[in-house]
Amino acid sequence: QKEVEQDPGPLSVPEGAIVSLNCTYSNSAFQYFMWYRQYSRKGPELLMYTYSSGNKEDGRFTAQVDKSSKYISLFIRDSQPSDSATYLCAMSSNTGGFKTIFGAGTRLFVKA
Amino acid sequence: DSGVTQTPKHLITATGQRVTLRCSPRSGDLSVYWYQQSLDQGLQFLIQYYNGEERAKGNILERFSAQQFPDLHSELNLSSLELGDSALYFCASSVGDTLYGYTFGSGTRLTVV
Repeated sequence: QKEVEQDPGPLSVPEGAIVSLNCTYSNSAFQYFMWYRQYSRKGPELLMYTYSSGNKEDGRFTAQVDKSSKYISLFIRDSQPSDSATYLCAMSSNTGGFKTIFGAGTRLFVKA
Repeated sequence: DSGVTQTPKHLITATGQRVTLRCSPRSGDLSVYWYQQSLDQGLQFLIQYYNGEERAKGNILERFSAQQFPDLHSELNLSSLELGDSALYFCASSVGDTLYGYTFGSGTRLTVV
């Protein structure tokens, strides 16, 4: 079993839709939870990070962490064609050494 | 432009050969991380250097090695290349040991034929 599970998609939605992206994990030691966006032929770009449980909002993006369920989500409101990309979740722990594990990424297509 | 520079952008080489990938971190960043991204394995952590010293090691093969130089640029050496080594190799950097996000370069696409 992978430490971080993420549905690879692809996920196709119409412009303006609310998008929900999710990851589950098995290691309760993870402390920081991140979302990266990766456009084709580019490196991942950090969107948001959250420490421990709770919500964080940044413009059209909201990140949620539920440590009790080992489940994290990224919501994108009013999705735009420019949001079409691969979204990777990532989680970090300093237990037993610094470690960041990435999910496989979900491909998102937003249709105009 | 993220500030992390990777060269070359593309590399095509034959099995059994050796290649060197180069990374210049963002100005001021002391940590460099190397990742391999393939279609079936996702983004896999290889190794981290901090101010010239190896800091953490992930799933890096013995055929692969890396170093960070005094000017903080880093090189990833891949030898005895196999077809399965074909992947995108990313370098990322951060100011120190960070748990909440790195800045990635645009990657080097390696194709082994």
